[in-house]
Amino acid sequence: SQTIHQWPATLVQPVGSPLSLECTVEGTSNPNLYWYRQAAGRGLQLLFYSVGIGQISSEVPQNLSASRPQDRQFILSSKKLLLSDSGFYLCAWSGLVAFEQFFGPGTRLTVL
Amino acid sequence: AQRVTQPEKLLSVFKGAPVELKCNYSYSGSPELFWYVQYSRQRLQLLLRHISRESIKGFTADLNKGETSFHLKKPFAQEEDSAMYYCALSPGSGNTGKLIFGQGTTLQVKP
Repeated sequence: SQTIHQWPATLVQPVGSPLSLECTVEGTSNPNLYWYRQAAGRGLQLLFYSVGIGQISSEVPQNLSASRPQDRQFILSSKKLLLSDSGFYLCAWSGLVAFEQFFGPGTRLTVL
Repeated sequence: AQRVTQPEKLLSVFKGAPVELKCNYSYSGSPELFWYVQYSRQRLQLLLRHISRESIKGFTADLNKGETSFHLKKPFAQEEDSAMYYCALSPGSGNTGKLIFGQGTTLQVKP
């Protein structure tokens, strides 16, 4: 069966520090991959999505970037975190047909 | 512009009362619409999709293209229905599988 992992589960980082959040999927090949930010009162905001290795689409201009170095690995990064980057980050995957997305457990990021 | 609007941040009802979580969308084509749910300390998961026309956990949702709405309904709320509910739209074009989510509504079912 397919599973999706995210780490770390929680992270506290100072302003200006770098960020790397990792997401991996098991049990499927060539998934579509997504990064969302879930902020209180603002719902789920799609940040990036990827339909294949090295293919990244950005949905909103921001301080973050994403990479997909392997088929089932999706990384969210920042060179210098801002206070406004605090939030709950969710990774998800989907197949090509059903459009149902399967979500990871999330990472709670606090920037101080 | 493609948009999903859930006008209520919080909906509080008593157990056994009917529930309607509102969702309106803006999209020029033929969308696919979904409801996702996040129970406390659980992952966000699909509840139902409009193309399936099924009832899940007693919930139903009907796509009304005239009113561009996809409200989620349940005739008798249960305490275990308390959760965050998100309405989502898939533009359905290409193979990206992108979803546009609403702001979410917290459903609180009181005993």
